Amino acid sequence: GQNIDQPTEMTATEGAIVQINCTYQTSGFNGLFWYQQHAGEAPTFLSYNVLDGLEEKGRFSSFLSRSKGYSYLLLKELQMKDSASYLCAVRDSNYQLIWGAGTKLIIKP
Amino acid sequence: IAGITQAPTSQILAAGRRMTLRCTQDMRHNAMYWYRQDLGLGLRLIHYSNTAGTTGKGEVPDGYSVSRANTDDFPLTLASAVPSQTSVYFCASSNSYSNQPQHFGDGTRLSIL
Repeated sequence: GQNIDQPTEMTATEGAIVQINCTYQTSGFNGLFWYQQHAGEAPTFLSYNVLDGLEEKGRFSSFLSRSKGYSYLLLKELQMKDSASYLCAVRDSNYQLIWGAGTKLIIKP
Repeated sequence: IAGITQAPTSQILAAGRRMTLRCTQDMRHNAMYWYRQDLGLGLRLIHYSNTAGTTGKGEVPDGYSVSRANTDDFPLTLASAVPSQTSVYFCASSNSYSNQPQHFGDGTRLSIL
């Protein structure tokens, strides 16, 4: 079966750095996406990885290791507005997205 | 403003009633999707369409039907609603032939009593 695992909840301090991990087992791999979802709102796209390595976009970076079936999202200089759920999704061999349950990130002052 | 529009925003529905959730996009994306999101679970794909005139079943299609008469519209119908269909429903679209992400509508919060 297909499976995406990520921690249910994480807590971090304003101004700090946090790393959210995602491991996956899917039928085929055509890219990995990270989305942010604030409570009561729609998911919004953060980053995309298809090759191994680090993709940096401002305060957010995403890393991929295809051989390990592993990705992480790194958030730097945390702000209160970063409190949200972060969703990991893998595009499988049918070009459909398989979604993790999301990691709820709580930022404390 | 380009994007995806879903209607209604929320709805309370009696069990056994028929309901159609509307979704319209103006980005000329070829692919459209319907997901449901339940607490503690990831987004689950109900139905999808890779191009106008074609549709496919996702992970949880039972009790739902879709149509794709044109590029822009992708309605989701619950023929006879049941309480287990209480959920938040998101419509999304993308250019599926590229590495572009899926873009989501604001969702429909549906309660079946």
